[in-house]
Amino acid sequence: DAMVIQNPRYQVTQFGKPVTLSCSQTLNHNVMYWYQQKSSQAPKLLFHYYDKDFNNEADTPDNFQSRRPNTSFCFLDIRSPGLGDAAMYLCATSRDRVHEQYFGPGTRLTVT
Amino acid sequence: TQLLEQSPQFLSIQEGENLTVYCNSSSVFSSLQWYRQEPGEGPVLLVTVVTGGEVKKLKRLTFQFGDARKDSSLHITAAQPGDTGLYLCAARSNDYKLSFGAGTTVTVRA
Repeated sequence: DAMVIQNPRYQVTQFGKPVTLSCSQTLNHNVMYWYQQKSSQAPKLLFHYYDKDFNNEADTPDNFQSRRPNTSFCFLDIRSPGLGDAAMYLCATSRDRVHEQYFGPGTRLTVT
Repeated sequence: TQLLEQSPQFLSIQEGENLTVYCNSSSVFSSLQWYRQEPGEGPVLLVTVVTGGEVKKLKRLTFQFGDARKDSSLHITAAQPGDTGLYLCAARSNDYKLSFGAGTTVTVRA
C-alpha cells in the first residue's frame, strides 16, 4: 500500500542535543510538509517542500531545518532542542498544493 | 483568529448514542476535509466535501457541507468506542496552506 512512513515513532533526546526525524513516502507526491502538534491541539505547519523548492513559515524558529534529498525522503533537523520542542512531529504529503494531504503516523519527541 | 471554529471542544457520550461536531467559518472554501486522529497517531483523512449542500456518508458517519460553503458538520450515528479520537476539520485558505480547526475530542464510553 502507498503510504507515508515516519521513523522513529518515538525519539528521546537531551536538551541541546541535535536530533533528526525522518519521513518517507511511496505516493510519489510532489509536496512534503512538516507539522508540529502539541497535546490535543491542531497541527502547526513548520515548512514544506514543493519538489526541491523549500518554503518556510514566517514563525518557524531557526532551530528547525529541513532537507529533501529526493522525492521520497524528507528530514526534519532540530539543531538545539529545548524543552518547549517536545511534541508530536507529523509529516504529510500531497500531490500538489491544492490536493488533500496525507499524514504519517508521527514521531513523538521527548526532550530531557 | 481561528479561521475554522470547531464545536464542541470536548464530547463524551455512551456507546450507541449519536453525536454531531460542527465546523464554522466566515470564509468561503472551495473544499473542506475532515480528519480523525487517534492518540499517538497521525490524522487520517475521512472525507473531502466540495459542493455546497453536499452530503457524504461513510458507514455511520455523515458529513455535510453548508450551502454557502462556509460550514460543515460531522454526524456519527450509534457511536462505538472505536470512534474515539480527535476530529479535525481543515480547509485551504487563499494561499495553499491548510488551516485546521482546534479539534473536537470525542470519547465514546463502552
